[in-house]
Amino acid sequence: DAGVIQSPRHEVTEMGQEVTLRCKPISGHNSLFWYRQTMMRGLELLIYFNNNVPIDDSGMPEDRFSAKMPNASFSTLKIQPSEPRDSAVYFCASSLQDYYNEQFFGPGTRLTVL
Amino acid sequence: AQKITQTQPGMFVQEKEAVTLDCTYDTSDPSYGLFWYKQPSSGEMIFLIYQGSYDQQNATEGRYSLNFQKARKSANLVISASQLGDSAMYFCAMREGRNTDKLIFGTGTRLQVFP
Repeated sequence: DAGVIQSPRHEVTEMGQEVTLRCKPISGHNSLFWYRQTMMRGLELLIYFNNNVPIDDSGMPEDRFSAKMPNASFSTLKIQPSEPRDSAVYFCASSLQDYYNEQFFGPGTRLTVL
Repeated sequence: AQKITQTQPGMFVQEKEAVTLDCTYDTSDPSYGLFWYKQPSSGEMIFLIYQGSYDQQNATEGRYSLNFQKARKSANLVISASQLGDSAMYFCAMREGRNTDKLIFGTGTRLQVFP
């Protein structure tokens, strides 16, 4: 079975450009999470969805960040305009709401903003 | 206050020995879940083990076990018979309360297994 799929795996862009990260969760999972990992701040949750509905976006840094989940098999995280401090690894994870609710992570997108 | 504290930035262990990675947590909610994830140098996050706050027994998954001491609010990960492939970052995380799926992660412990 395919795991969580993220694209692109690496993205290098210039400050001010729009960046779109994509995620396909595991089929059948009903929760989707976007995380950001940096050396300074560690791993932090940006936003999560249940059944395609945003539940908690308190971790979204500012208005430059937006996330959508138009259907159960696709989500995007957009940064517009990007800044060098947005450089990080962005993970998408999905889970099935059961006893564990364990989250399965994608391979991550390494974003570098010059 | 930190919700999840991992006080060991780095740990070394010899192959085939056991190692304990520390994790303490802070919550006033009686319902919570504790998770451990492994992050090898390749970068992916791998789920290892889960402990629910109402679980009576310590969780075990193969060579991984969780030493859950509720009164002390600690959930230490024990890896038995360490292998070279266990070298990685290890993160403790907590889901706090029944009505959220949000995980709060600790800062991690880097484990190095040497021959």
